[in-house]
Amino acid sequence: NAGVTQTPKFRILKIGQSMTLQCTQDMNHNYMYWYRQDPGMGLKLIYYSVGAGITDKGEVPNGYNVSRSTTEDFPLRLELAAPSQTSVYFCASMGGSRETQYFGPGTRLLVL
Amino acid sequence: AQTVTQSQPEMSVQEAETVTLSCTYDTSESDYYLFWYKQPPSRQMILVIRQEAYKQQNATENRFSVNFQKAAKSFSLKISDSQLGDAAMYFCAYKTNNFNKFYFGSGTKLNVKP
Repeated sequence: NAGVTQTPKFRILKIGQSMTLQCTQDMNHNYMYWYRQDPGMGLKLIYYSVGAGITDKGEVPNGYNVSRSTTEDFPLRLELAAPSQTSVYFCASMGGSRETQYFGPGTRLLVL
Repeated sequence: AQTVTQSQPEMSVQEAETVTLSCTYDTSESDYYLFWYKQPPSRQMILVIRQEAYKQQNATENRFSVNFQKAAKSFSLKISDSQLGDAAMYFCAYKTNNFNKFYFGSGTKLNVKP
């Protein structure tokens, strides 16, 4: 039982490039979330999903896209990367009890 | 949208002493969940404690306890017998009852002095 896994751990992007951050959970959780954490700050919700095929925007969705074709996977797509997207990205999932999130280890992204 | 405020950017405590971290939030909901998360330098988010708003009894987990004041919208974390391993960033978080969305505070950095 690996919990929530994220790949890659670290990535450097050039301005204007695109990439997909991968997130997978093996706990059969319905809820999945993407957050960004800027230096010295708390987590801001980018997108979330309440189940396969259902996604919705969080507080800071601009510049990102998501899809949820399976229960296990919730990839985050960055189109036309900008320096403002330099951050640490966390994926999380939550199960049927709807009480507690389980977090992945994070992906550190640097846009230069 | 709900807001979560942590007014103490940084705090220090002597090993074995007690420290209290503050958190306030703004909401119009009557039922919700509140959490404290710990983030050590490894960046892993670790759940410390959670509180259900409809429960009046304050949650406790070993050396960690909360003071939940629903009317005042206050949710402080007390760490007793502080240990060096408690040094980390601590985040307060609010989960909405509708849509199960989470809102985080900006964090408090806790230093533990030997």
